[in-house]
Amino acid sequence: QVTLRESGPALVKPTQTLTLTCTFSGFSLSTSGMCVSWIRQPPGKALEWLARIDWDDDKYYSTSLKTRLTISKDTSKNQVVLTMTNMDPVDTATYYCARISSHYSVNWYVDYWGQGTLVTVSA
Amino acid sequence: EIVLTQSPATLSLSPGERATLSCRASQSVSSYLAWYQQKPGQAPRLLIYDASNRATGIPARFSGSGSGTDFTLTVSSLEPEDFAVYYCQQRSNRPPYTYTFGQGTKLEIK
Repeated sequence: QVTLRESGPALVKPTQTLTLTCTFSGFSLSTSGMCVSWIRQPPGKALEWLARIDWDDDKYYSTSLKTRLTISKDTSKNQVVLTMTNMDPVDTATYYCARISSHYSVNWYVDYWGQGTLVTVSA
Repeated sequence: EIVLTQSPATLSLSPGERATLSCRASQSVSSYLAWYQQKPGQAPRLLIYDASNRATGIPARFSGSGSGTDFTLTVSSLEPEDFAVYYCQQRSNRPPYTYTFGQGTKLEIK
């Protein structure tokens, strides 16, 4: 059974750095074809893809946010960490971690999502 | 960067009716397009991948079509549980691997 769970602060101040942790189970990020992504959703708005880290440690970022994002993994702990610098109130959103798989039944799309964690940016 | 435009923004229909949702890409994405369903307070769920393939466990009333820049999600006969927000998403097929979502279509009960 695949599960993902996001953790991190619910409130950050403007200009601070946000650090979110995704702890997952039911798969290994050392298995070929496995990836974890971060996706966010401001209240009442659309989804926005942020970053992806692959089993071989390749990393990909949103073009518009790449200067602020860093994604990393700790395979032994089954965790993926996302940091976002210089937080602003417009970054207020629910942040989801999600699994992406190369399996033919999914073909590099998201097949499992965490429940999401709401991060509010306010002084 | 590829932009996905979904229409309509809101679609009001009754149970039993047919729903047709559109997603247009600003440039060709070949068939690398997925559809997700999101209900209030829940994470999205994958419905369709690679434009026309139903994900595991998705009812046959959901179907996807299209290629290049124009895509359609069709729900043949709406069930009460189908009223939700639907997002299309494209993925790049070569590095750097990136994804883009559309702005969503809300399917509401008329």
